Amino acid sequence: EVQLVESGGDLVQPGRSLRLSCAASGFTFDDYAMHWVRRAPGKGLEWVSGVSWNSGGIAYADSVKGRFTISRVNAKNSLYLQMNSLRAEDTAFYYCARERRTLVRGVIMKYFDYWGQGTLVTVSS
Amino acid sequence: DIQMTQSPSSLSASVGDRVTITCRASQSISSYLNWYQHQPGKAPKLLIYAASSLQSGVPSRFSGSGSGTDFTLTISSLQPEDFATYYCQQSYSTPALTFGGGTKVEIK
Repeated sequence: EVQLVESGGDLVQPGRSLRLSCAASGFTFDDYAMHWVRRAPGKGLEWVSGVSWNSGGIAYADSVKGRFTISRVNAKNSLYLQMNSLRAEDTAFYYCARERRTLVRGVIMKYFDYWGQGTLVTVSS
Repeated sequence: DIQMTQSPSSLSASVGDRVTITCRASQSISSYLNWYQHQPGKAPKLLIYAASSLQSGVPSRFSGSGSGTDFTLTISSLQPEDFATYYCQQSYSTPALTFGGGTKVEIK
């Protein structure tokens, strides 16, 4: 059974740092790209960052670029998000998600087929 | 960047109703469109990928259609467990697989 379990969420002051982890099980972790998605209170889902299977490709949303760093350790089946210079607007549930690629009508389609339950990050003084 | 706009932002419906949610892309994205359901306290759930392909295990009352810039998610007969927020997601412009603003389906 595929499982993604996030951890590391906490209450932190603005300007401080936090590191989130996502433990994966039930599948071959290094076969898949992985992503972080967040949902702030009263708002919708926001893609935050993604990393390819071998960390050769990494991308960030403009809202976190320069402050957040995504990484993975395939030997540990783990995904991470290092969050620095945290702001009040970073308050959200953070979810890790697995990216699946499927051939549909001759085209490679990408989507997030498994998600974790999320971990809450609250940035407040 | 490709912007995804959903409508309505919320709706009220009764059990058994047919519900339609629309998603519009700011440029053509072919069929690179996914739909998710998110309930409070739960992991988001994939419903539809590639605009119209039903994810394994998802009830057949959910269907998706559209291509280019205009897409639709339809729930043919709303069930109590379907009250949730629904999101479209474009996968045309990667790696940033951006989402629409969401449509909250509430009980009438």
